[in-house]
Amino acid sequence: EVQLVESGGGWVQPGGSLRLSCASSGFTFSKHVLTWVRQAPGRGLEWVSTINGGATSTYYADSVKGRFTISRDNSKNTLYLQMNNLGADDTATYFCVKEPNSDYIYSWFDSWGQGTLVTISS
Amino acid sequence: DIVMTQSPDSLAVSLGERATISCKSSQSLLYNSNKKNYLAWYQQKPGQPPKLLIYWASTRQSGVPDRFSGGGSGTDFTLTINSLQAEDVAVYYCQQYYDTPRTFGQGTKVEFK
Repeated sequence: EVQLVESGGGWVQPGGSLRLSCASSGFTFSKHVLTWVRQAPGRGLEWVSTINGGATSTYYADSVKGRFTISRDNSKNTLYLQMNNLGADDTATYFCVKEPNSDYIYSWFDSWGQGTLVTISS
Repeated sequence: DIVMTQSPDSLAVSLGERATISCKSSQSLLYNSNKKNYLAWYQQKPGQPPKLLIYWASTRQSGVPDRFSGGGSGTDFTLTINSLQAEDVAVYYCQQYYDTPRTFGQGTKVEFK
């Protein structure tokens, strides 16, 4: 069974930083594209960032480009999202998401973690 | 960016009746080389993460009940829930993966009448 468990969320002041983690099991980690999707409270879904299986290619939404960095450690089956210069618009639940392919990013999201809440407030 | 627009925003259906949700994209999601529509549907129940229901516009994910069906092509798509069950009360999202950034519809809330 695929398991994706996010951690690292919490409250931080505007301009601050957080690092999210996603511990994974139940599938061959290095053979899957992984993605972060976020959902502001009471709102819809927004794609944030994607990384391919070999960690050679990364992709970002314009809203986070230059502030967020996605990475993965295939030896630890863990996905990360380093978030810097956070603002109120970044307040959301962040979901770790698995995709069906190892490199092809034009795909659906087949498994989701429970999410971790990030709150940006002074 | 491809804009995905769902209608209606909310839908009240009686138990056992059919629910139909529309999703329109601002450009075609049909890739001519493989004749596939790059569209997925998700279900999100309160307090839970989204769950994949359908991909390639009409292929049900393993384990999804066959009362859920997807249809359409190009820019117009539908998700149909035949014989609504209690556990189907949720918000449903369409999502395109034809182009990056991958984008979602705003969601349709399905409730009991």
